[in-house]
Amino acid sequence: GENVEQHPSTLSVQEGDSAVIKCTYSDSASNYFPWYKQELGKGPQLIIDIRSNVGEKKDQRIAVTLNKTAKHFSLHITETQPEDSAVYFCASCSNDYKLSFGAGTTVTVRA
Amino acid sequence: NAGVTQTPKFQVLKTGQSMTLQCAQDMNHEYMSWYRQDPGMGLRLIHYSVGAGITDQGEVPNGYNVSRSTTEDFPLRLLSAAPSQTSVYFCASSYSGRGASYEQYFGPGTRLTVT
Repeated sequence: GENVEQHPSTLSVQEGDSAVIKCTYSDSASNYFPWYKQELGKGPQLIIDIRSNVGEKKDQRIAVTLNKTAKHFSLHITETQPEDSAVYFCASCSNDYKLSFGAGTTVTVRA
Repeated sequence: NAGVTQTPKFQVLKTGQSMTLQCAQDMNHEYMSWYRQDPGMGLRLIHYSVGAGITDQGEVPNGYNVSRSTTEDFPLRLLSAAPSQTSVYFCASSYSGRGASYEQYFGPGTRLTVT
């Protein structure tokens, strides 16, 4: 099955700086790559996603890039704010029915 | 809309006991799924359903049963609880039957401890 690796496991940034989280996947047939944010005590929530026919997608301070050849994708958060502190999960879908998640990155934004 | 609801929020079981985790959604979504979340392992798919009457196994199905008699409800049954099933369980739904390739809406989770 699909294997998704996510790095780093923890990330501490100064408020206003950028944060980058990287993921790799194993199945070359994967074609959908969402990113979820999980706040303490809550369920994950989709923040951005990208499909394999697109190399980059941006939504305000959040962007995702995809390199299909290298089988890796990344989340970029610019101008970080305290409310960006959370656990972030990348995921990969190689069929329409099963999503494989990375292990998660705990992001802490220091004031 | 209430979205995806899960009950109970917390549960403690003894080894060998059985129980059902409830999940319901009021968005008329076709796809529903159950995940477990363990430290350092992300979310792992247990079972999923693409519509009423249709269920299939995910990555870690052993020890769990599901059924989907209505579009709204997707209960998860633990047949004989084991300490290895101590985890946080999330239910999710998506409007498309091909739900893994579209946004999934997650419930608030059930924290289960098996002693």
